[in-house]
Amino acid sequence: DTAVSQTPKYLVTQMGNDKSIKCEQNLGHDTMYWYKQDSKKFLKIMFSYNNKELIINETVPNRFSPKSPDKAHLNLHINSLELGDSAVYFCASSQEGSLAGTQYFGPGTRLLVL
Amino acid sequence: RKEVEQDPGPFNVPEGATVAFNCTYSNSASQSFFWYRQDCRKEPKLLMSVYSSGNEDGRFTAQLNRASQYISLLIRDSKLSDSATYLCVVIMNRDDKIIFGKGTRLHILP
Repeated sequence: DTAVSQTPKYLVTQMGNDKSIKCEQNLGHDTMYWYKQDSKKFLKIMFSYNNKELIINETVPNRFSPKSPDKAHLNLHINSLELGDSAVYFCASSQEGSLAGTQYFGPGTRLLVL
Repeated sequence: RKEVEQDPGPFNVPEGATVAFNCTYSNSASQSFFWYRQDCRKEPKLLMSVYSSGNEDGRFTAQLNRASQYISLLIRDSKLSDSATYLCVVIMNRDDKIIFGKGTRLHILP
């Protein structure tokens, strides 16, 4: 049973395209997150949603738009992809409030922009 | 000074040895601390929380030193399966911040 799942696992696309990454958690958690891990392995939070409400919105380009149709899903849509967007994107969820250290991560989506 | 700093390593340690590494943080308002491990090409997984009084879980001991603003992780009797990158996490509720360190790579040698 997968607790936090992401699709697709790999995504290769051209610059300028628009793409979406989906995330679902079956843990009943209220809070979900998106992280970006770059080539230097630096893991940085992008967004946090608590019960479908945006809580954390770090300084990311507005080409990135999270969407939470319900508390079990947090999708990430990226417009006009750029080379620098190539990274691994992790979704995570937590049971506690908006800032929780006990997080469960999805397997990651490896995005390569050509 | 970076908000959260870790020695990137790698630490190459023989199996059975004890290894320890630290993570320093710059903001004294930091409230919660955690250690995660990340295997190569895998997602991070929570290893343990770090409490003010220290925290021990089997071979792993985590400690917090608020005065010097660092947390530590000690691994005793290291196993080959302990090879991974260890990430420290600092949470500042007042500023709505969750910060991951860049990680310390650990290689346990047979």
